[in-house]
Amino acid sequence: AQSVTQLDSQVPVFEEAPVELRCNYSSSVSVYLFWYVQYPNQGLQLLLKYLSGSTLVESINGFEAEFNKSQTSFHLRKPSVHISDTAEYFCAVSDISGGYQKVTFGTGTKLQVIP
Amino acid sequence: EAQVTQNPRYLITVTGKKLTVTCSQNMNHEYMSWYRQDPGLGLRQIYYSMNVEVTDKGDVPEGYKVSRKEKRNFPLILESPSPNQTSLYFCASSPDGYGYTFGSGTRLTVV
Repeated sequence: AQSVTQLDSQVPVFEEAPVELRCNYSSSVSVYLFWYVQYPNQGLQLLLKYLSGSTLVESINGFEAEFNKSQTSFHLRKPSVHISDTAEYFCAVSDISGGYQKVTFGTGTKLQVIP
Repeated sequence: EAQVTQNPRYLITVTGKKLTVTCSQNMNHEYMSWYRQDPGLGLRQIYYSMNVEVTDKGDVPEGYKVSRKEKRNFPLILESPSPNQTSLYFCASSPDGYGYTFGSGTRLTVV
């Protein structure tokens, strides 16, 4: 069985400061990893994903995440946050196996950017 | 515009009164899924579908039904809603089972 742990339920950070949102996963097989963002009163949007290849993946709005197999982590980082980054962020994992690719979500981290 | 459309956005109902939340996608996606989102619990999968007439239970299927008679539609049915089904529900679709596109959500209150 796979699982995802997001230890920080809330992360306050000042505008233009760097941020890291932590994500650790557990799985007995190889995995694909995802970060989703949820703005207030909206559905989730895929922010970035790791399927294979380079362990560092980037999004179009300046976020990046690095797959670390030895530490079973997929932390999300941004060097300088903006007010508009205020949202809830969900890490998700999917086993690479035959049949249906079940996606398991973490409990989410609320990023609050302070002016 | 490529999207997943859920209706209604908000619904208040009484215990035991059958209801259906509709979900439709216009991207010709094979995979569709229903999730419920509760504070502190993240998203939990209710049911999923890999194609027409192929559905299976997720992590919390009790009290819910689904059907997939057409590729684009995946309605969620609550035959006898109870207050513990008060939640925010999301439908999502994917071409390959990874990287889902989500609808805007349905906030359901059962009194």
